[in-house]
Amino acid sequence: GAVVSQHPSWVICKSGTSVKIECRSLDFQATTMFWYRQFPKQSLMLMATSNEGSKATYEQGVEKDKFLINHASLTLSTLTVTSAHPEDSSFYICSANPGIIGNQPQHFGDGTRLSIL
Amino acid sequence: QKEVEQDPGPLSVPEGAIVSLNCTYSNSAFQYFMWYRQYSRKGPELLMYTYSSGNKEDGRFTAQVDKSSKYISLFIRDSQPSDSATYLCAMSARKTSYDKVIFGPGTSLSVIP
Repeated sequence: GAVVSQHPSWVICKSGTSVKIECRSLDFQATTMFWYRQFPKQSLMLMATSNEGSKATYEQGVEKDKFLINHASLTLSTLTVTSAHPEDSSFYICSANPGIIGNQPQHFGDGTRLSIL
Repeated sequence: QKEVEQDPGPLSVPEGAIVSLNCTYSNSAFQYFMWYRQYSRKGPELLMYTYSSGNKEDGRFTAQVDKSSKYISLFIRDSQPSDSATYLCAMSARKTSYDKVIFGPGTSLSVIP
């Protein structure tokens, strides 16, 4: 149980392109999803917390106009990297938290490797 | 001082060895403690989830939490080459589902056949 699916797993695109990444909870409803960024050999850096039906909460230093997050349903959150540039190349990972009470650990998707040429 | 400290390694052990991975933390509000395993180019996979102090065992894995010392450990018995991965400790106060989880930087483990 608690499967999180992320798509696409790898995307290569030209500078200036906008890229959308989907995160789905397959067998549970997730009122909260999290988006992380991970650079090689480094830990996860929380970018934003996505709440179903409301605006995302962004971490300090993360540009909300650059990284658009939409959590339109209890099973889907999307991250759109707008006008991507080479410095946006990274590994993006989402996670979802089963339940509302919060006594459940986060479960992660398999990540999206974004390469901007 | 970082909220969560973890020796990044790399740690290299022979197959069959007992592996000890550790994290220290500074926030006494943390109550929920997790260990994740991450293979290269994959998302983290939950291994162990514990609440407050004590031990929890699952197969070859044992998680220990000592809140008085702000110290958590993961032990892997009879280590296998397939255990080669990066291990991330994580923790949160988890008062609500919106509470952030703080991750350690991860320890890279290689189990040599």
